[in-house]
Amino acid sequence: EIVMTQSPATLSVSPGERATLSCRASQSVSRNLAWYQQKPGQAPRLLIYGASTRATGIPARFSGSGSGTEFTLTISSLQSEDFAVYYCQQYNNWPPKTFGQGTKVEIK
Amino acid sequence: EVQLVESGGGLVQPGGSLRLSCVASGFTFSTYSMNWVRQAPGKGLEWVSYITLSGSTTYYADSVQGRFTISRDNAKNSLYLQMNSLRAEDTAVYYCARESYVGGWIDPWGQGTLVIVSS
Repeated sequence: EIVMTQSPATLSVSPGERATLSCRASQSVSRNLAWYQQKPGQAPRLLIYGASTRATGIPARFSGSGSGTEFTLTISSLQSEDFAVYYCQQYNNWPPKTFGQGTKVEIK
Repeated sequence: EVQLVESGGGLVQPGGSLRLSCVASGFTFSTYSMNWVRQAPGKGLEWVSYITLSGSTTYYADSVQGRFTISRDNAKNSLYLQMNSLRAEDTAVYYCARESYVGGWIDPWGQGTLVIVSS
C-alpha cells in the first residue's frame, strides 16, 4: 500500500498571501495524484488531477506540481473561501486508493 | 447537474448490519465506475470500496474486506453498500463518489450519510 504523507498538518496564512502544501508518496506514483478541498460540514471537492490539471471551475490561483514522490499544491493568493482542509490522493497503484492525512489551512 | 444522494445511515449496534444507498442523477450512471469513501469524525478520508460500471469487478479496503459488499443497479441509477458485522471503528460519514471517466480520481462526491456504531 502506498502511504501518502502531507505537510504541514496546519498552515496559518493571512488572506492574500501564498500557501504551499506538500504531499509525499512512499513510492513513485508518477503523476497520478489528485488534490481535494474540504470545508467544514461539506463533501470533498476535486481541485487538481494528474498532479497539475485543474478540475472544471477551479480558479487559476490553485496550481499543482510535482511527479514521482513529491507534490505541491500552491494557492497563489488566499481568499476567505480557501480556508479549508486539503487532501492529496494517489491513484497510480490501487487498490487501495490512498489519501494523505490532510493539511488544514487556517486564517493567521 | 450531477447529483449523488446517499441515504440509509443511522445508529446501529456493534455486530449489526446496515445498507447504504446512493441515487445518482444528471449523468449516465451505467457508464461510470463508483466508489464509497468514508470519514470518521474529525479524521481524514479513507477509501472503502469500488465497483466497475457493470458491477463485474469490485475492490475493498482491507479494513472492510469480507464484511462489506458493494453493488449497483444501473436500471435504478443506484449504488449500494451492504455493511455487516459492524464495529465501532466503522463509525463515519460515508460518501458515494463517482470515479473519473479516465479512472483514478474521484469526482463528484455526494453529501454523505452518517453511520454510528454504538451500543
